Amino acid sequence: DQQVKQNSPSLSVQEGRISILNCDYTNSMFDYFLWYKKYPAEGPTFLISISSIKDKNEDGRFTVFLNKSAKHLSLHIVPSQPGDSAVYFCAAMRTGTYKYIFGTGTRLKVLA
Amino acid sequence: EAQVTQNPRYLITVTGKKLTVTCSQNMNHEYMSWYRQDPGLGLRQIYYSMNVEVTDKGDVPEGYKVSRKEKRNFPLILESPSPNQTSLYFCASSLVGTSGYNEQFFGPGTRLTVL
Repeated sequence: DQQVKQNSPSLSVQEGRISILNCDYTNSMFDYFLWYKKYPAEGPTFLISISSIKDKNEDGRFTVFLNKSAKHLSLHIVPSQPGDSAVYFCAAMRTGTYKYIFGTGTRLKVLA
Repeated sequence: EAQVTQNPRYLITVTGKKLTVTCSQNMNHEYMSWYRQDPGLGLRQIYYSMNVEVTDKGDVPEGYKVSRKEKRNFPLILESPSPNQTSLYFCASSLVGTSGYNEQFFGPGTRLTVL
């Protein structure tokens, strides 16, 4: 049972345009969400997070939106750059449990 | 440099031959965790540890053991590896904050092949 789903395995976007990566979850007990970026042959690196008490968190070109009623979050990258080409994982957890559930990842390709 | 290191980075072994993948962090983090990454399945948590001598199961603990005798080290032990444990393994660590969550720092990964 996949509690965190990223339904788009891949996404291609033109440089300078917006990239939107989506993530859905099924467990309503999750209250903290994170996005990680992963380059080939490297470990994932933390990108941005959001608590369920917020519906938006912004950090430079990266914004995460959370829609609790729909159990959906999205990562917006504006403007997209070729260096953003990577696999993006969303993850969810219930605060205090330290058990992280990751999605299957979306491979983003930003075309120059 | 703050980092999580894993050894070995690559390992090919045979079914049933016990192996250990080491993980070490130099950030004085309380929390450490092991994940495996498989195509189409993303990252799945194997075990985690909140501090020395405190470990707990993640989503896919079967066939694995861990120990946390020192704060900086969290080895992953496969007592009798099987081909379905062929995977890419990541170790991660983080602080344990009062907020109940913290971003994890990941190691570079260990690619394990069990023949």
